[in-house]
Amino acid sequence: GPKVLQIPSHQIIDMGQMVTLNCDPVSNHLYFYWYKQILGQQMEFLVNFYNGKVMEKSKLFKDQFSVERPDGSYFTLKIQPTALEDSAVYFCASSLLGGAPGQNTLYFGAGTRLSVL
Amino acid sequence: GDSVTQTEGPVTVSESESLIINCTYSATSIAYPNLFWYVRYPGEGLQLLLKVITAGQKGSSRGFEATYNKETTSFHLQKASVQESDSAVYYCALGDRVDNYAQGLTFGLGTRVSVFP
Repeated sequence: GPKVLQIPSHQIIDMGQMVTLNCDPVSNHLYFYWYKQILGQQMEFLVNFYNGKVMEKSKLFKDQFSVERPDGSYFTLKIQPTALEDSAVYFCASSLLGGAPGQNTLYFGAGTRLSVL
Repeated sequence: GDSVTQTEGPVTVSESESLIINCTYSATSIAYPNLFWYVRYPGEGLQLLLKVITAGQKGSSRGFEATYNKETTSFHLQKASVQESDSAVYYCALGDRVDNYAQGLTFGLGTRVSVFP
């Protein structure tokens, strides 16, 4: 089936540095998402993105976070500066459709484990 | 806010035995949310296993089934006879948005299932 690829699978970074997580979504999809899962906790919605704009974000999407997808390339999550509490697995997802209930099947990547030291 | 509670893992079951993973939900902004089961096989991203968007209906896929029970606010996942290839982590999720923007899903913690021959 359709694949969402996340690169790299694990990233280690020092606190205060900038990090960019990359996601290669399904090629014809139009909606993009990031979810965050801290070890032992639920996966939680961060943000969704459509037509070059953030459509919805949760309270977890701090000011230090930003997303973009320049020219149809990777969909990225940038954290600048990073903090210890940003250590988590970040999952990217994409969908073809938007909001009609039940119509927008999300396809997820395998996640990028971010370790902030 | 919304919440999803599911069977705490790990769950260990022998091949050809039956499996049930309990899921109950609480949705604060909509009476009848959309309900989903996702599965993550080792090394892969989450995949949609099945979804039900109408209360009272049953969804099924790959031998799994789940019935949307609005009285008990439950969406238990069942399979009559599991195989080793069913070893994975299973996530119950709900989506409660009906507007034009893509849904942010609320996930349970996940239930790790190990099937032994």
